Amino acid sequence: EPEVTQTPSHQVTQMGQEVILRCVPISNHLYFYWYRQILGQKVEFLVSFYNNEISEKSEIFDDQFSVERPDGSNFTLKIRSTKLEDSAMYFCASRREPNTEAFFGQGTRLTVV
Amino acid sequence: KNEVEQSPQNLTAQEGEFITINCSYSVGISALHWLQQHPGGGIVSLFMLSSGKKKHGRLIATINIQEKHSSLHITASHPRDSAVYICAVSYLYSGGGADGLTFGKGTHLIIQP
Repeated sequence: EPEVTQTPSHQVTQMGQEVILRCVPISNHLYFYWYRQILGQKVEFLVSFYNNEISEKSEIFDDQFSVERPDGSNFTLKIRSTKLEDSAMYFCASRREPNTEAFFGQGTRLTVV
Repeated sequence: KNEVEQSPQNLTAQEGEFITINCSYSVGISALHWLQQHPGGGIVSLFMLSSGKKKHGRLIATINIQEKHSSLHITASHPRDSAVYICAVSYLYSGGGADGLTFGKGTHLIIQP
């Protein structure tokens, strides 16, 4: 069964460093998302991406964040200068069309020290 | 602010019991998702529905659009059903269902043998 894959599964970084989280969505999907879950809290929407541009972003997704689809398969989330409060599990998701099932990756646990 | 409310927050039951988890939301939606999150953190989609009822194995999901309410039922519960069950919605105003999901806080379910 096709799946969304995320790398790395766990990343530890120092405050102020840049990190790039990587995702490979399901190949025939057109809509891509990043979500985050701070430990013990609910999952929060960060950004949606379609047709090579951001279609929606939340208040969390400030200038420190950016997304890119550098080639036909990868979808990345970059945090330019990490803060302690960026520590969370980051999930990538993809969908084939609007209002269809969303498929999630296993997540990347980011720890900022 | 449009919230997704789940109840109960925590539920412990004996193996074999019939389980019901509830979800309510405040404004019109294009679709509602039931998701499962295991201790390792990964999120798996169980159902996506916009009306009526869906069944998959021992899981049943129902939605009442007029009452803005959905339920997830587990019949003949088993310890392997222990997980966090999350309700998430796509709001009608948000990009026709292509934009990000809004999540509830989840229901922590423990099934004891």
